[in-house]
Amino acid sequence: DQQVKQNSPSLSVQEGRISILNCDYTNSMFDYFLWYKKYPAEGPTFLISISSIKDKNEDGRFTVFLNKSAKHLSLHIVPSQPGDSAVYFCAASALFGNEKLTFGTGTRLTIIP
Amino acid sequence: NAGVTQTPKFRVLKTGQSMTLLCAQDMNHEYMYWYRQDPGMGLRLIHYSVGEGTTAKGEVPDGYNVSRLKKQNFLLGLESAAPSQTSVYFCASSQGAYYGYTFGSGTRLTVV
Repeated sequence: DQQVKQNSPSLSVQEGRISILNCDYTNSMFDYFLWYKKYPAEGPTFLISISSIKDKNEDGRFTVFLNKSAKHLSLHIVPSQPGDSAVYFCAASALFGNEKLTFGTGTRLTIIP
Repeated sequence: NAGVTQTPKFRVLKTGQSMTLLCAQDMNHEYMYWYRQDPGMGLRLIHYSVGEGTTAKGEVPDGYNVSRLKKQNFLLGLESAAPSQTSVYFCASSQGAYYGYTFGSGTRLTVV
């Protein structure tokens, strides 16, 4: 049972345009959400997070939006740059989840110069 | 400023062989985790630890054992490797999930 889903395995975006990566979750106990970025042959690195008490969090070119009623979050990257080409994982945690993160399957983002 | 260090980085095993993957963190984190990454499956939790001397099963624990004898180290063991355990293994540590994880660079394991 995949509790965190990323339905788009891949996404290609022109350099300078907006990249939108989507994530859906099923567990209503999740209250904290994170995005990780992963380059080949490296471990994932933390990108941005959002608490369920917010509906938006912004950090430079990266913005995460949370729609609790739809159990949906999205990551916006504006403008997209070639260095953004990577695999992006969304992850979720529950307040009483024993400090575990549940990860989605990932979306491979390719920025086209 | 090492963070999380995994050894080895690559390994090829024959079916039935055993091995131990070592994870070391220098951030004094309480929590440590072992994940495996497979194509189309994302990151799946194998085992985790909420403190020195503790371990718990994750989503896919079968065929693996772990130990956390020291706070800074988390060992993942394969007693009898199977081809289904071919994967990339990531160790992570954290102060708590809300603080995010710090991941190691991974171990690519092939079982033939």
